[in-house]
Order: sequence, then C-alpha cells, then structure tokens
Amino acid sequence: DTEVTQTPKHLVMGMTNKKSLKCEQHMGHRAMYWYKQKAKKPPELMFVYSYEKLSINESVPSRFSPECPNSSLLNLHLHALQPEDSALYLCASSQEASQASNYNEQFFGPGTRLTVL
Amino acid sequence: QKEVEQDPGPLSVPEGAIVSLNCTYSNSAFQYFMWYRQYSRKGPELLMYTYSSGNKEDGRFTAQVDKSSKYISLFIRDSQPSDSATYLCAMKIQGAQKLVFGQGTRLTINP
Repeated sequence: DTEVTQTPKHLVMGMTNKKSLKCEQHMGHRAMYWYKQKAKKPPELMFVYSYEKLSINESVPSRFSPECPNSSLLNLHLHALQPEDSALYLCASSQEASQASNYNEQFFGPGTRLTVL
Repeated sequence: QKEVEQDPGPLSVPEGAIVSLNCTYSNSAFQYFMWYRQYSRKGPELLMYTYSSGNKEDGRFTAQVDKSSKYISLFIRDSQPSDSATYLCAMKIQGAQKLVFGQGTRLTINP
C-alpha cells in the first residue's frame, strides 16, 4: 500500500464551526506533514510530525491544531476559520523527516478542498 | 527575491514536442532537487529527484541540475496530452525537513 488517504474530499464550513481533517498512511512512515495550497500556488508547509512528535510549526495560526494520535494517523482540527483559509489541504508522509544520507520521498494524499463561508 | 523561481506559464505546446521546464534558486545549500507533477484537483506526485549535480533519465523524462549556475531543468520528450498538468520543482537541504517549492508551471499538451 503506497497510498496516503485523506478525508473528507470536500468540506464547507462556517466561521464558527469546528471540524477536523483526517489523513492516514500504512507505509510505515514515521514523518507526516500538513500543507496548505491556494489556487495556482505551490504547497506551503504548515506542520511536520516526526515519530509522532511535532517538529515543525511554520508559525501557523492557532485556529489550526494538528494532532498525531499514532504513527499512521494525522489530524488537523479547525476552529473559527476565516474565508481566506479556504484552500486545498494536503497531507504527506515520508519514511523519516530527515536523514543525513538519504533522500526521503514525500508521498502526498489527494487533499481536502476546504471552503470557509 | 524568492529562494526558488519558476515561470508559472501557462505553457502550451503541440503533442510530440519536447518540453523544457526550468527553475533557478539562490540557496547554494540545496542538495536534493525534485520535480513533482500535479494534476488538477489532485495531490503532487514525485516524477524525479536528483542529488547534487548531473543528469537523470527516466523514460521520456530527463532531469538536469547545474549547481554552478543554480539552475535545474526537466525535459519531456514526445509529449502526450496526458502530460498536461502543473509541474512543480522543489529543493531540500540535506538533513532538513522542509521542501522549498517553485511556483509551478502549468503545461498543456495539445493533440
């Protein structure tokens, strides 16, 4: 299984709602990532988890709250979002977050398309 | 100045043409160079990666890295309509966790 799955595929939420995005991989990878991608822009890194611990937070607003319950799962909890947060949210995983001698390919999921009204 | 510069296009070529996609970068510490392909409404998929300078070939795709010029290229031979997508270059410092992406080039291959 070389797939990263993400649910839901689409999500529409109001600014007062609380929702969660889910990501799962069964490749035995120990690093997982959240990216945000606006239309016609490259992915922007939000968070990195390495061995289930948060290792990078790219100064993301606290209305985005990541969680890594185990090595296969990654969640992104959303609360009090703004319309400008509407984007494609991509999850990725790699064997390890960093390794001195080897490149670790990041496998991306299909993304959740989020619309904030 | 952005760390990685990539012409966003759009680029439109006829089927069968050779396509050349390019990125320049400013950080000489980058050592891993990747090309991702992203179809509309899908996640990026890795096409090729190169460590340090040199060429790498995989079927119709060739990646080139010129570290002295801080310039990388992706060539697509015998282009097909199914190659129509956005192509993103990405780079990484050895040992770092973060990929730095270019803007992405939107490519259309016309039958």
